[in-house]
Amino acid sequence: SQQGEEDPQALSIQEGENATMNCSYKTSINNLQWYRQNSGRGLVHLILIRSNEREKHSGRLRVTLDTSKKSSSLLITASRAADTASYFCATAPMEYGNKLVFGAGTILRVKS
Amino acid sequence: SQTIHQWPATLVQPVGSPLSLECTVEGTSNPNLYWYRQAAGRGLQLLFYSVGIGQISSEVPQNLSASRPQDRQFILSSKKLLLSDSGFYLCAWRGDSYNEQFFGPGTRLTVL
Repeated sequence: SQQGEEDPQALSIQEGENATMNCSYKTSINNLQWYRQNSGRGLVHLILIRSNEREKHSGRLRVTLDTSKKSSSLLITASRAADTASYFCATAPMEYGNKLVFGAGTILRVKS
Repeated sequence: SQTIHQWPATLVQPVGSPLSLECTVEGTSNPNLYWYRQAAGRGLQLLFYSVGIGQISSEVPQNLSASRPQDRQFILSSKKLLLSDSGFYLCAWRGDSYNEQFFGPGTRLTVL
């Protein structure tokens, strides 16, 4: 089964609101990454958080990692219509070497 | 800077026909290369990955094969396509000094 599971599956918010997406995983990891995918396009890397980090910021993005609960969250603040996309978490399990395991993603729609 | 190319962008093929999708990377050497498939509305499934020329690891038993004839070229093939091979195929690369993966634009394959 997939390592990462995101929730919610879909999220619809108004422009200017914050969006929070969650990811849970099952085994020990080296790092956890978040990616964005616009419809019909490739994935774009957003942010990486290592297993010894608890929080990381990049612009309007804030990622937290709780290794005791095996969970992560991605917060997008002051959302814009251009943030409409699918968001995926990907884990780098310790036993998997160079591979990433992706969750099913959260579809975010930001209404203007 | 590094870039990754995939072609074709879209492909419609009859059941039983052969397949060849190509991925090339520019601006880096000895990358790790990956082929993923994404079903509609789903996450990414890792199909193959390669750490060097002629070195291919298969993740799931299937109707597909992969080859890496050159350092920056990764090819996904099939001798006879099945309906279930339809999907969005993504190629990605990862350098030694990176943890994140960088994705190509993808190929939309429809098998009829």
